[in-house]
Amino acid sequence: GAVVSQHPSRVICKSGTSVKIECRSLDFQATTMFWYRQFPKQSLMLMATSNEGSKATYEQGVEKDKFLINHASLTLSTLTVTSAHPEDSSFYICSAQGPNRYEQYFGPGTRLTVT
Amino acid sequence: GENVEQHPSTLSVQEGDSAVIKCTYSDSASNYFPWYKQELGKGPQLIIDIRSNVGEKKDQRIAVTLNKTAKHFSLHITETQPEDSAVYFCAATLISGSARQLTFGSGTQLTVLP
Repeated sequence: GAVVSQHPSRVICKSGTSVKIECRSLDFQATTMFWYRQFPKQSLMLMATSNEGSKATYEQGVEKDKFLINHASLTLSTLTVTSAHPEDSSFYICSAQGPNRYEQYFGPGTRLTVT
Repeated sequence: GENVEQHPSTLSVQEGDSAVIKCTYSDSASNYFPWYKQELGKGPQLIIDIRSNVGEKKDQRIAVTLNKTAKHFSLHITETQPEDSAVYFCAATLISGSARQLTFGSGTQLTVLP
């Protein structure tokens, strides 16, 4: 199957700082990527849909100025958590729409801890 | 919008037994139904999917069935092994020309007891 990577896998940052998470499709081009947040023992919560070359579409209740998304190429999307606070601590997962344009392949996730 | 319900939330089976997880969806227009396996601390892995033009799909020990009339689909795992222990999520969406988000079920924690 298609491979999606995320970097970093874990990050600890201090409150008030910004953190960037990268999502890459390694063996296919993805015009659309998705960013999710997952709390312990819960399902995936879609944060935003990222389309290459255009602005991301954010889900209701997600602050676009806090969670900056850039999809600059067909293989890379980035999520920047700005001015992070402890409540932003979570597991962030990206997915990329596959070559058939309907499957979604997920990255391994990034565990963010804000102290 | 689409709503997906998943049952049970937890499931324990003996090694070698079968496991069945069921999902129902609300939007009759949905036509693509993937299943994901998520191990602790990892991202979800696509394990099998089905489109609405077929009623069943099988891949080795894993099978998915779809009943469009009743709007439900199920994951069947036969001859379960300890490494099948994980959280399983079902999802539904409408395949169209543009990207469509998946609507996920709430997940099932499967534990295979050795």
